[in-house]
Amino acid sequence: AQKITQTQPGMFVQEKEAVTLDCTYDTSDQSYGLFWYKQPSSGEMIFLIYQGSYDEQNATEGRYSLNFQKARKSANLVISASQLGDSAMYFCAMRGLDSSYKLIFGSGTRLLVRP
Amino acid sequence: DGGITQSPKYLFRKEGQNVTLSCEQNLNHDAMYWYRQDPGQGLRLIYYSQIVNDFQKGDIAEGYSVSREKKESFPLTVTSAQKNPTAFYLCASSIDSRETGWGILSYNEQFFGPGTRLTVL
Repeated sequence: AQKITQTQPGMFVQEKEAVTLDCTYDTSDQSYGLFWYKQPSSGEMIFLIYQGSYDEQNATEGRYSLNFQKARKSANLVISASQLGDSAMYFCAMRGLDSSYKLIFGSGTRLLVRP
Repeated sequence: DGGITQSPKYLFRKEGQNVTLSCEQNLNHDAMYWYRQDPGQGLRLIYYSQIVNDFQKGDIAEGYSVSREKKESFPLTVTSAQKNPTAFYLCASSIDSRETGWGILSYNEQFFGPGTRLTVL
């Protein structure tokens, strides 16, 4: 069975500093994809970044980067130069190669950026 | 603009009533999904559909029903059999990954609607 674990229920970061949100996963699939989503207080899920299990380089999207360590089964999200608008819930999710292509989500980390 | 719409934004239900949540997309996506989110938790899959007139149960389908008569629409009915329906419901869609091959398949992120918050009175 696939599982996503996010061990940080809440985190604080000072504006303009970098922050790392932890995500570990468990799967027996050889091929899988890892996603990070942001959920502001409005509730909508916003896709941030994706990492494929066979991608050799860590994914980056603007201020977001994914620290992918396959052997440790971790896919941590790094947000550089935090902004007040980054305050939100952040979810790590995984999709395996089964027929449903469904996403398995972690429990999330609430990030609060301090001015 | 392309996107996913959900209505209503807030919904109140009396015990014993069925209610239907609307989800419409104009992204030309084949696959659509319904998730439930409880406070402080991640999303759990209720139902998904990869093609019109076909849908599959997710992890928590009991007490819910869906239909997929049109590509653009995937309504979710919360029946009276759902004992604890108060939650935030999110609809999503994506390209049907079966047609694209693994290399492209894995990048097909799901696009989410704004959600419906259902409260049982």
